[in-house]
Amino acid sequence: DQQVKQNSPSLSVQEGRISILNCDYTNSMFDYFLWYKKYPAEGPTFLISISSIKDKNEDGRFTVFLNKSAKHLSLHIVPSQPGDSAVYFCAASASDYKLSFGAGTTVTVRA
Amino acid sequence: DVKVTQSSRYLVKRTGEKVFLECVQDMDHENMFWYRQDPGLGLRLIYFSYDVKMKEKGDIPEGYSVSREKKERFSLILESASTNQTSMYLCASSSGVDTQYFGPGTRLTVL
Repeated sequence: DQQVKQNSPSLSVQEGRISILNCDYTNSMFDYFLWYKKYPAEGPTFLISISSIKDKNEDGRFTVFLNKSAKHLSLHIVPSQPGDSAVYFCAASASDYKLSFGAGTTVTVRA
Repeated sequence: DVKVTQSSRYLVKRTGEKVFLECVQDMDHENMFWYRQDPGLGLRLIYFSYDVKMKEKGDIPEGYSVSREKKERFSLILESASTNQTSMYLCASSSGVDTQYFGPGTRLTVL
């Protein structure tokens, strides 16, 4: 039973516009959330994270928003660039060693 | 920078063969993980280890075993490879409950 869900398998966005990726979770024990980016034939690379005590975390063009009551988080990329074309995975942890991952969203940035 | 290396990028094996996938990290991390990534399913945890000679089953351990004889090295073993084990295998390491860092992955094909 998947505890982290990314319901949009793909997203296409114009270069320079905003990309918004969504993620929902079911486990109320999750208290740490991460986004990873993955290019084909490479391992995932850490992008940004947020603790459950916050509702927003920003790092350059990337911002993650957390809505605990809705058990929902989102990743905003502004402005989107061609190099952002990749698969993005949402992950969550319940303060243990393990991460639960979503199925991923493939982002394509059009020139 | 954390470096996680995996012994092979691509591997082709025959059904019934014993397969060893090796992972090495250079950051003295306590925790190491093996995942498999399949389209539409995201990353699923096979096994993890939080200390030398310690191991715990993840979500999909059937058909796999692991070995951790040294802190920096974590091996995944397919005792008798089957075609449904064709996948991308990803190793990761972390310190405590912090961010996991991934290797480049091994694309395993079982014929």
